[in-house]
Amino acid sequence: GQNIDQPTEMTATEGAIVQINCTYQTSGFNGLFWYQQHAGEAPTFLSYNVLDGLEEKGRFSSFLSRSKGYSYLLLKELQMKDSASYLCAVSAYGAGSYQLTFGKGTKLSVIP
Amino acid sequence: DSGVTQTPKHLITATGQRVTLRCSPRSGDLSVYWYQQSLDQGLQFLIQYYNGEERAKGNILERFSAQQFPDLHSELNLSSLELGDSALYFCASSVGGDTGIYFGEGSWLTVV
Repeated sequence: GQNIDQPTEMTATEGAIVQINCTYQTSGFNGLFWYQQHAGEAPTFLSYNVLDGLEEKGRFSSFLSRSKGYSYLLLKELQMKDSASYLCAVSAYGAGSYQLTFGKGTKLSVIP
Repeated sequence: DSGVTQTPKHLITATGQRVTLRCSPRSGDLSVYWYQQSLDQGLQFLIQYYNGEERAKGNILERFSAQQFPDLHSELNLSSLELGDSALYFCASSVGGDTGIYFGEGSWLTVV
């Protein structure tokens, strides 16, 4: 099975930087995804890491350490619209297929 | 717009009834996934199809079934509905099993 942990809630100030951590335990690891989900809406793809290191995409960056089973999502220059849940998802191969398993998500509140 | 289409967007039905949720994947995507998200719960993987064949099964109840048709659209059938089945049901699609997945807007099911 897989175990994915991320904080339940975080609060940060508009214009600041926030780091959302994710730790995982799995076999057959293939890659790690981050999704953003606003309340009542569909999750939207943010980033994908398969190798160790940092992937930067505008205000958002994602880091992966495969040996440590650890990833983080870094959000810079926070805006009010960044208030959402951020889902860490692990892709792993097992039983003849790839499966994408989601963490419970981190609810980020951005305050003025 | 992710390109994944789900119908209906909202559905209210009584306990004991049966409903069918429909999903059209993005053009070119062969994999279809179904997820359930209850209030304040994470995304629970139900089932995956790849090019018409069942590829992976998650926490799907025996009262639920799904299929993917030759034109690649998929249907999720929920029967003998219970109050606890009230949730947001997402369909997602991808090119293959080892890539990120793209979500439809979801079908809100309320069982009364």
